[in-house]
Amino acid sequence: DGGITQSPKYLFRKEGQNVTLSCEQNLNHDAMYWYRQDPGQGLRLIYYSQIVNDFQKGDIAEGYSVSREKKESFPLTVTSAQKNPTAFYLCASSIDLWAEAFFGQGTRLTVV
Amino acid sequence: GQNIDQPTEMTATEGAIVQINCTYQTSGFNGLFWYQQHAGEAPTFLSYNVLDGLEEKGRFSSFLSRSKGYSYLLLKELQMKDSASYLCAVGSNYQLIWGAGTKLIIKP
Repeated sequence: DGGITQSPKYLFRKEGQNVTLSCEQNLNHDAMYWYRQDPGQGLRLIYYSQIVNDFQKGDIAEGYSVSREKKESFPLTVTSAQKNPTAFYLCASSIDLWAEAFFGQGTRLTVV
Repeated sequence: GQNIDQPTEMTATEGAIVQINCTYQTSGFNGLFWYQQHAGEAPTFLSYNVLDGLEEKGRFSSFLSRSKGYSYLLLKELQMKDSASYLCAVGSNYQLIWGAGTKLIIKP
């Protein structure tokens, strides 16, 4: 079955450590996105990528990094420079920027 | 700035009809999306409007007025499983701008 997979669902890290969130899709989508969702707020775009080896910063890219070495994969690294990393992170993909987006199950990151 | 407004929370009765409004002010417009999100889960796509008018899809319909910067999602014959948050998102320039979502509570 085609879909988009994020792992793990829950992640705990100590303050000051970098952590990488996985996102894989087998939908053959060109566009992939990382969002952050906090209680009472809309989804906020961290990074997006329209093609392999290219990605663009979203509204809240500071403290995060991504790579797009393969069409299927778009991992997100939350670095120690991110001041408030505890949040629900959602990865999504779509055929192009204005098509229906398919979301992964999300990763809830807690930094202690 | 770019802004999307939705009511924070709404309550409705099982079997009834509910309308969730969304108003937007964005620098560009490439279409408006509605997504459903159950608590702790990922959003799932409901509808997409790019032209003015009503799009009907089963129990759900979505309306758009570009001149007024306004959309609504209409849910008919409400079921308990419709209890969720409903997110409005507008395509503007090269990204989607998301509203904070409307939490819909369905009572028996």
